[in-house]
Amino acid sequence: NAGVTQTPKFQVLKTGQSMTLQCAQDMNHNSMYWYRQDPGMGLRLIYYSASEGTTDKGEVPNGYNVSRLNKREFSLRLESAAPSQTSVYFCASSAGGGAGETQYFGPGTRLLVL
Amino acid sequence: QKEVEQDPGPLSVPEGAIVSLNCTYSNSAFQYFMWYRQYSRKGPELLMYTYSSGNKEDGRFTAQVDKSSKYISLFIRDSQPSDSATYLCAMSKTGNQFYFGTGTSLTVIP
Repeated sequence: NAGVTQTPKFQVLKTGQSMTLQCAQDMNHNSMYWYRQDPGMGLRLIYYSASEGTTDKGEVPNGYNVSRLNKREFSLRLESAAPSQTSVYFCASSAGGGAGETQYFGPGTRLLVL
Repeated sequence: QKEVEQDPGPLSVPEGAIVSLNCTYSNSAFQYFMWYRQYSRKGPELLMYTYSSGNKEDGRFTAQVDKSSKYISLFIRDSQPSDSATYLCAMSKTGNQFYFGTGTSLTVIP
């Protein structure tokens, strides 16, 4: 059982380049999330999708777009990368049936923007 | 002001010690409280979940929530080297959008 998978594991971009971070879960979860983790800032929610077909902004959505492709997949796109977007990005999922559920996290994508 | 404050440490204790980790928060609407453990270069994994105030125990781990003081704690008894990790607190009003602390780095020395 793979759980939550993320690709790529590591990426280097130049300022202004675009890229898409991929996330997939095989637990039949309804809800999916994208976080970024920075030293001294903790985990911050970028976007989430409570169910297939819906997305909502989190705490730090500027500079990002998301697509809930289907129930399994939730992608995060950086249209024009900036050095401030250098971070570790985590995707997570939860069953989505009620509040306070366990979120299962992927292994993360380390992004460096030069 | 951050929604959630957590002392980053680092915290270093001998094996077998009792560890106390804490977070404070400012939003009185928070009612879902969680503790995650994160090993180096891994994603966080849920340790404890508490709804509203009170204590919850799971093996060597005890979570406490004091809503009147806006303060939550995680206690680890008989700490082991395998407990060495970063511990993150998280909390939510609705259960959908969670606010995380910055994490406390813990090292348990054999």
